[in-house]
Amino acid sequence: ETGVTQTPRHLVMGMTNKKSLKCEQHLGHNAMYWYKQSAKKPLELMFVYNFKEQTENNSVPSRFSPECPNSSHLFLHLHTLQPEDSALYLCASSQGWGPETQYFGPGTRLLVL
Amino acid sequence: SQQGEEDPQALSIQEGENATMNCSYKTSINNLQWYRQNSGRGLVHLILIRSNEREKHSGRLRVTLDTSKKSSSLLITASRAADTASYFCATDGGAQKLVFGQGTRLTINP
Repeated sequence: ETGVTQTPRHLVMGMTNKKSLKCEQHLGHNAMYWYKQSAKKPLELMFVYNFKEQTENNSVPSRFSPECPNSSHLFLHLHTLQPEDSALYLCASSQGWGPETQYFGPGTRLLVL
Repeated sequence: SQQGEEDPQALSIQEGENATMNCSYKTSINNLQWYRQNSGRGLVHLILIRSNEREKHSGRLRVTLDTSKKSSSLLITASRAADTASYFCATDGGAQKLVFGQGTRLTINP
């Protein structure tokens, strides 16, 4: 595994629940990313943070709310999700913002019932 | 539509054989990257090739880039069971982000 950790690794939630995904990188990187990976679809970029500032919001529904308190931590707050939001959520980091090598965490497998 | 598209979608070979996967893209790039993903896990970076490079090697991996054809190939030589995974190409398309293809699912049979 790389120096990017994610918790929890698995999450089952109802549509009325509120939960948060956590990502932490120990690589001293300045940019962090949230991706969604659904079956039979390409990896979808959701959010990008560079030096704690959001630089990209890829038309993600407001039921997903990111938070980046510092360059090492990234959260994804979830509320009133839909079953189609079930997917593998991957966090990644890179030294700088842009098309650089990205280091991924192991992901959180989310199931929305 | 997506920037990078891998071909084939799935590939099954015998251990010891070579595996070749291809990636095609649509717009000009600064670099192209290949990643590996074991089932249900995060992606692992394999190799980055810049637009002014034509070939790059890393261990048993060989990547080529043909910017005139907007295509790249990843060759894994002397495959092993541990190479079983999905392989993705990622391109920047001149933008400040990576766009991933749908991947090639590689199975190495013992």
